[in-house]
Amino acid sequence: AQSVAQPEDQVKVAEGNPLTVKCTYSVSGNPYLFWYVQYPNRGLQFLLKYITGDNLVKGSYGFEAEFNKSQTSFHLKKPSALVSDSALYFCAVRATSGYSTLTFGKGTMLLVSP
Amino acid sequence: NAGVTQTPKFQVLKTGQSMTLQCAQDMNHEYMSWYRQDPGMGLRLIHYSVGAGITDQGEVPNGYNVSRSTTEDFPLRLLSAAPSQTSVYFCASAVSSNSPNSPLHFGNGTRLTVT
Repeated sequence: AQSVAQPEDQVKVAEGNPLTVKCTYSVSGNPYLFWYVQYPNRGLQFLLKYITGDNLVKGSYGFEAEFNKSQTSFHLKKPSALVSDSALYFCAVRATSGYSTLTFGKGTMLLVSP
Repeated sequence: NAGVTQTPKFQVLKTGQSMTLQCAQDMNHEYMSWYRQDPGMGLRLIHYSVGAGITDQGEVPNGYNVSRSTTEDFPLRLLSAAPSQTSVYFCASAVSSNSPNSPLHFGNGTRLTVT
């Protein structure tokens, strides 16, 4: 069975500082990996995805994520955090082979202080 | 382009009542799904559909029914509501189940309380 772990319930950073939100995954074979963001009282919005190729993936709003196959990780990063980045972030995985549905992590709340 | 539209936004039910959560998408997506979001548990898949007339169970299907008579609509039915079904429900769609790297498009959710 596939799974996603987001080890931090909450990440706090100051505006202007770099941020990292951690994600590790378990899947049979190669993964498709996704990051989504959820603002209060809204549905999830797609940020970025890893399919294949370059391990550094760039997405919306200045976010990027680094795929590390040996560590089975897909950490979300941003060089300079904004207060408006404060939201709930979800990592998700599905296998590339066969048919599987998307499995989400439990989410990490990012709080950026002014 | 409305995307994924869910109605109602809020609903309060008494135990044992039934109701249908509506979901419609205008993107001609083949794949549609229902998730529930509970604190500390992330999103869990209830049911999904890979096309009109085809549905399948997800991780937590008990107590819920679905049907997919058209490409656009994917309603979720609670037959006899229980307090354990208090949650926020999200409908999501994607281009096709044959494009597994296509991102999901989410509605804004229905907040359901069962008393």
